[in-house]
Amino acid sequence: GDSVTQMEGPVTLSEEAFLTINCTYTATGYPSLFWYVQYPGEGLQLLLKATKADDKGSNKGFEATYRKETTSFHLEKGSVQVSDSAVYFCALGVEGAGKSTFGDGTTLTVKP
Amino acid sequence: ETGVTQSPTHLIKTRGQQVTLRCSSQSGHNTVSWYQQALGQGPQFIFQYYREEENGRGNFPPRFSGLQFPNYSSELNVNALELDDSALYLCASSLGRSGEQYFGPGTRLTVT
Repeated sequence: GDSVTQMEGPVTLSEEAFLTINCTYTATGYPSLFWYVQYPGEGLQLLLKATKADDKGSNKGFEATYRKETTSFHLEKGSVQVSDSAVYFCALGVEGAGKSTFGDGTTLTVKP
Repeated sequence: ETGVTQSPTHLIKTRGQQVTLRCSSQSGHNTVSWYQQALGQGPQFIFQYYREEENGRGNFPPRFSGLQFPNYSSELNVNALELDDSALYLCASSLGRSGEQYFGPGTRLTVT
């Protein structure tokens, strides 16, 4: 079945450091890939997405490229801020399948 | 435009009881998906409703059931509650079965 594997956390960085959160997936069909962010006490918010191989999703300084050959969708940001502290989830969705499959999340803490 | 809302926010139930959680979809959305998020884990797909019909179900027992109403709001019902049902229950609405999902803030269910 479909699955998503994220790098284990938690991740602690200093402000303005470079961020990478690894995500790999296994899926049948041609999935769309997503990164969601969850701030404390809140629901999930879509951060970015990519719908086909080699697409790059970007939002708020975050980027991720859909790599079909390595089945990966790593999240990157060049300079993190304290306000980026949250839990980040990688997910996939297959057209018509009616569900999204999520990784277990990576907790990011950014210190001033 | 009204976002996805869920009620109640928090709920405490006793093992063996039944519970109903509610979700109002975002305006214009005809699809609702329900997820269970245990502490420290990613959301797990329960089922999806598209135009009042179930469209896909995850690996959850039949005591988890749902409904979608003509206005596209939805209910999640759980019978014979077990301690392991304690979790954050998330509702997501979308336009279409594979559309971008917008999540509500969740209902925190505690089973004692």
